[in-house]
Amino acid sequence: ILNVEQSPQSLHVQEGDSTNFTCSFPSSNFYALHWYRWETAKSPEALFVMTLNGDEKKKGRISATLNTKEGYSYLYIKGSQPEDSATYLCAVDSWGKLQFGAGTQVVVTP
Amino acid sequence: EAQVTQNPRYLITVTGKKLTVTCSQNMNHEYMSWYRQDPGLGLRQIYYSMNVEVTDKGDVPEGYKVSRKEKRNFPLILESPSPNQTSLYFCASSSPGRFSYNSPLHFGNGTRLTVT
Repeated sequence: ILNVEQSPQSLHVQEGDSTNFTCSFPSSNFYALHWYRWETAKSPEALFVMTLNGDEKKKGRISATLNTKEGYSYLYIKGSQPEDSATYLCAVDSWGKLQFGAGTQVVVTP
Repeated sequence: EAQVTQNPRYLITVTGKKLTVTCSQNMNHEYMSWYRQDPGLGLRQIYYSMNVEVTDKGDVPEGYKVSRKEKRNFPLILESPSPNQTSLYFCASSSPGRFSYNSPLHFGNGTRLTVT
């Protein structure tokens, strides 16, 4: 079973500060890496899907990078806002079989 | 509106009473999948389907069945529910595409199941 780990488990950020967190996974048997944003009482919403080593994707103030050779992906939030408060999930996609990490809970305080 | 619809949203049942949670998508997606979410464990994949009549086990398939007779529907069946299947369930779909398998998942609103 592939082990997908996210760290830290949670973090508190002051409004306006930037932050980043990690998704680690075994580098074998990998097709794509997904990132999702999950707010309380809602469904997860897609942020990025990345497949190539060195991929970088950006959506507004949120960006992500992927290193498939060493088995990690970083998610960055620039200038955090209270609306960025959510749990961020990563998932390794092995041709349809997905394994999610337990998530990083981000709390942005004004 | 493009969406994934799960029903019911909430369900309380008793041990051993067969139940079905329905999932339907209107986006003509080939790929559909089911997950359960338990505190501290994140989302765990139960089953997935790459297309009609094609289903595969995820990481936690025991105690569940699925079928994919039509493209839009992917029901989750619990033949004999047990209390350890009490969880929050999500259905999701995506369209991997023939040459570009990098399509994100679209999630349904979730079904909270309690088995007593």
